[in-house]
Amino acid sequence: DQQVKQNSPSLSVQEGRISILNCDYTNSMFDYFLWYKKYPAEGPTFLISISSIKDKNEDGRFTVFLNKSAKHLSLHIVPSQPGDSAVYFCAASASGTASKLTFGTGTRLQVTL
Amino acid sequence: DTGVSQDPRHKITKRGQNVTFRCDPISEHNRLYWYRQTLGQGPEFLTYFQNEAQLEKSRLLSDRFSAERPKGSFSTLEIQRTEQGDSAMYLCASSLPGVGEAFFGQGTRLTVV
Repeated sequence: DQQVKQNSPSLSVQEGRISILNCDYTNSMFDYFLWYKKYPAEGPTFLISISSIKDKNEDGRFTVFLNKSAKHLSLHIVPSQPGDSAVYFCAASASGTASKLTFGTGTRLQVTL
Repeated sequence: DTGVSQDPRHKITKRGQNVTFRCDPISEHNRLYWYRQTLGQGPEFLTYFQNEAQLEKSRLLSDRFSAERPKGSFSTLEIQRTEQGDSAMYLCASSLPGVGEAFFGQGTRLTVV
């Protein structure tokens, strides 16, 4: 039972354009959501998070939007840069903290020149 | 570097052998987590500690797996009688309690032949 779903396995975007990565969840108990970026042979790196009491959180080029009624969140990267090419994982927690994260299967983003 | 450190980075073992991995968390973090990631999947939660207490274990953690954090600092994950299905990346993460993000190490890649 995949409680966190990333339905797009891959995404290709031109440098300078917006990248939009999507994530859906099914567990209504999830109240905290995170995005991680992962390069090959490295562990995931935390990018940005959002609590269920908010619908938007912004940090530099990264913005996460949360639509609780649709159980959907998205990560926007503007402008996209070649160094953003990586696998992006959406994760969710039911405790408002980092304990016991449930991850999606990831979306591979490629930013082309 | 004061990030999460895992050792070894790679381990190849024969089926039936025992293996042990070590994780050193960020020094002020009293929560420590173990995850497992297989190809094409996101990390899956295995277990977590607050200080030396193991607070939760996933059903993925069979009898052959045991994790310890004896002094509330580093942790070890042991797999007994390894099977080919144990081949995966084992990730350790740490966080402060009540904080959203967990910081991951680079992982230990286990190959069982």
